[in-house]
Amino acid sequence: GAVVSQHPSWVICKSGTSVKIECRSLDFQATTMFWYRQFPKQSLMLMATSNEGSKATYEQGVEKDKFLINHASLTLSTLTVTSAHPEDSSFYICSARELAGAEGNEQYFGPGTRLTVT
Amino acid sequence: GQNIDQPTEMTATEGAIVQINCTYQTSGFNGLFWYQQHAGEAPTFLSYNVLDGLEEKGRFSSFLSRSKGYSYLLLKELQMKDSASYLCAVDYSGAGSYQLTFGKGTKLSVIP
Repeated sequence: GAVVSQHPSWVICKSGTSVKIECRSLDFQATTMFWYRQFPKQSLMLMATSNEGSKATYEQGVEKDKFLINHASLTLSTLTVTSAHPEDSSFYICSARELAGAEGNEQYFGPGTRLTVT
Repeated sequence: GQNIDQPTEMTATEGAIVQINCTYQTSGFNGLFWYQQHAGEAPTFLSYNVLDGLEEKGRFSSFLSRSKGYSYLLLKELQMKDSASYLCAVDYSGAGSYQLTFGKGTKLSVIP
């Protein structure tokens, strides 16, 4: 099956600093990548949808200037949390949809990145 | 809204069968997914339904009724490793953007 990687798997940063999270599709090309956030004991909340070569579409309530998304290639999308605050501490998960031939329009999830802001 | 409702928690015995229900608003529906998520890990794909009926995959089956806005995930011959959260997710997107809206998940505990 298709594999999506995320880096780093966990990160601790100080309040006010910025953190970049990478999402890569390892063995397929992804026209669309999705970024989710999951707080403890809650479901995944879609933050934004990114399409290769175009600006990301953010969900209502998600600050685009705080969560910068870049989808520069068909295999890489990055999420940068700028000026992080403790309330940004969460589990960030990306998913990718294959360019073509994906069975049932399946999204393949990365393993997630645990961000802790102190 | 696009409320997706599923039970918060369920408990079942090893070797038994359990059915996890999911109801959703039908307007804009394009397909329904079930994911399994172990604590601290990302979700893994279980099934996808877009047409009415039952889809069987080994010990797991998923059913969909589009007119009723209802789906269930059926797990047979439960194993301890099946203890996880099960997420129902609906594709409400138009124009092929394939965005998913997730339910809050059902935490399944399998007991000996």
